[in-house]
Amino acid sequence: SQTIHQWPATLVQPVGSPLSLECTVEGTSNPNLYWYRQAAGRGLQLLFYSVGIGQISSEVPQNLSASRPQDRQFILSSKKLLLSDSGFYLCAWSAWDSTNTEAFFGQGTRLTVV
Amino acid sequence: ILNVEQSPQSLHVQEGDSTNFTCSFPSSNFYALHWYRWETAKSPEALFVMTLNGDEKKKGRISATLNTKEGYSYLYIKGSQPEDSATYLCASPLSGGYNKLIFGAGTRLAVHP
Repeated sequence: SQTIHQWPATLVQPVGSPLSLECTVEGTSNPNLYWYRQAAGRGLQLLFYSVGIGQISSEVPQNLSASRPQDRQFILSSKKLLLSDSGFYLCAWSAWDSTNTEAFFGQGTRLTVV
Repeated sequence: ILNVEQSPQSLHVQEGDSTNFTCSFPSSNFYALHWYRWETAKSPEALFVMTLNGDEKKKGRISATLNTKEGYSYLYIKGSQPEDSATYLCASPLSGGYNKLIFGAGTRLAVHP
């Protein structure tokens, strides 16, 4: 069966520090991978998605970047965090070959920038 | 409609009430419409994925309908229970590719005993 791992669960970082959040998927090949963020009181905002190794689509201009160095690994990074980067970050995957399959989410990372 | 929109933003009902909420999405280049339930301290979990106009899906007391021509979907909960309290999200792949899954802001449902 497929599983998705996301870590860390919580993170408190000072302004200006770097960020690296990691997400890995097991039990499937060539998944679509997503990074979402929920800012306080708002819905899920799509940050990045990837359909293959090295293929990253950025949805919102911001202080973050994403990379997919391996088929089932998706990394969210920042060189210098801003206060506005605080939020709840979710990684998700879906099957590459179908539009009508659901997305599966990791447990999320609560990031607080202080 | 250029985005995925949900209404109402929040809803408070009494146990036993039936309720429904709406998801609106662009009707052009439609691929699929997803519904998810997001409980506090958990990850969103899929309820339904619908692709055909007129689709109706049901899971226990929860059901959903889809109108792709006019770009809306309804989620119904019959006889709400406190355990139904959650945020209900809808999502649809929008222009740019069927993998680009865009979520609405959600409807936060609170069911009071």
